[in-house]
Amino acid sequence: DAKTTQPPSMDCAEGRAANLPCNHSTISGNEYVYWYRQIHSQGPQYIIHGLKNNETNEMASLIITEDRKSSTLILPHATLRDTAVYYCIVRVGGIYNQGGKLIFGQGTELSVKP
Amino acid sequence: DTEVTQTPKHLVMGMTNKKSLKCEQHMGHRAMYWYKQKAKKPPELMFVYSYEKLSINESVPSRFSPECPNSSLLNLHLHALQPEDSALYLCASSQDRQKDQPQHFGDGTRLSIL
Repeated sequence: DAKTTQPPSMDCAEGRAANLPCNHSTISGNEYVYWYRQIHSQGPQYIIHGLKNNETNEMASLIITEDRKSSTLILPHATLRDTAVYYCIVRVGGIYNQGGKLIFGQGTELSVKP
Repeated sequence: DTEVTQTPKHLVMGMTNKKSLKCEQHMGHRAMYWYKQKAKKPPELMFVYSYEKLSINESVPSRFSPECPNSSLLNLHLHALQPEDSALYLCASSQDRQKDQPQHFGDGTRLSIL
């Protein structure tokens, strides 16, 4: 079962920051938080991942709370092309047995509006 | 553009046919994955290959048969499928199964079973 909880949908105005929340209260100490998005009719696209520190790349920023029980993905200036389903995933730890698996939850459908 | 290439993009087959889906990557990744995605649902893991060996089979019916002939290529052989097997089949790859190595997805093969 997925270990994350996300709101089913959100709206954001074009040009504004989109802040997508995720709860992962049962995360283990060595498990990473990953974010992917899926635009209609395409495969999931990797956005960013982190363990406990905040992370930033050219696409987004990831803010992880100190207790690691929740995180927020920030798209600083949302455009219409950012309309997609965003998945927050806790990646199963270890390289043996079930290690490395991505278990997708239901995701958040983000609509960026003009 | 994705660096994981899946062919064909679309496939229509009857329940008695035998067909194969192909996935190719040239990023030197040693872990490869098959996912199944039904409409309006998140992707679900089917198989994981690590260094050309099957590591995880998520209790997938035997009518789906994966094969990893070399480190760049992953096939999914299909035989005697059912209408409920109609879905988007996604392939992904990662450097290895380490939890801090992101998976990169292809755009999938959309399969329809008549």
